[in-house]
Amino acid sequence: EAGVAQSPRYKIIEKRQSVAFWCNPISGHATLYWYQQILGQGPKLLIQFQNNGVVDDSQLPKDRFSAERLKGVDSTLKIQPAKLEDSAVYLCASRKGSGGGNEQFFGPGTRLTVL
Amino acid sequence: AQSVAQPEDQVNVAEGNPLTVKCTYSVSGNPYLFWYVQYPNRGLQFLLKYITGDNLVKGSYGFEAEFNKSQTSFHLKKPSALVSDSALYFCAPWDTGFQKLVFGTGTRLLVSP
Repeated sequence: EAGVAQSPRYKIIEKRQSVAFWCNPISGHATLYWYQQILGQGPKLLIQFQNNGVVDDSQLPKDRFSAERLKGVDSTLKIQPAKLEDSAVYLCASRKGSGGGNEQFFGPGTRLTVL
Repeated sequence: AQSVAQPEDQVNVAEGNPLTVKCTYSVSGNPYLFWYVQYPNRGLQFLLKYITGDNLVKGSYGFEAEFNKSQTSFHLKKPSALVSDSALYFCAPWDTGFQKLVFGTGTRLLVSP
């Protein structure tokens, strides 16, 4: 079974530029998550999708971050414009269903450096 | 809302010795508890989970965890550590109110040869 795919793996941009990350979840997984992991911290949930609908985006800085999940499969996360404090690893995860007992499967992440 | 505490930023153990990575949580209702491991430049990998049933849960790579309801703990253990176990470990309870995993800052495990 293929895992969660993410691209790019690394990205370096200047502040105020825009950037987009892509995620392809495990086939059949209805729930998709984007996390931000700042160095030395645990992952922080940015947004959760159930199929192509948003379940929770309360921690997403909506003035600069946006995300979509078209057709309930792939997802993109965009930052525009980027700030220095956005430097982090962006993790995508997916899982079956929406109940609490199912584990999440994580992709390798995209390491973003904002200069 | 649930919270999690991993009291040790780092745990050092010699290869071949048993290891324990501690985790305590606060919960409303019956807890769902997870352990994940993160190797350098990698995403998080699922190790094991407690949903219900036996308090001793066995997982991947020889790891196990003991659920203790009275102490609200879910410590990760392994009888004999390997150098390759060196990584960052996260305990994550499931927040039933907000329907999401709660991550702390993790515990770095260093296994010396």
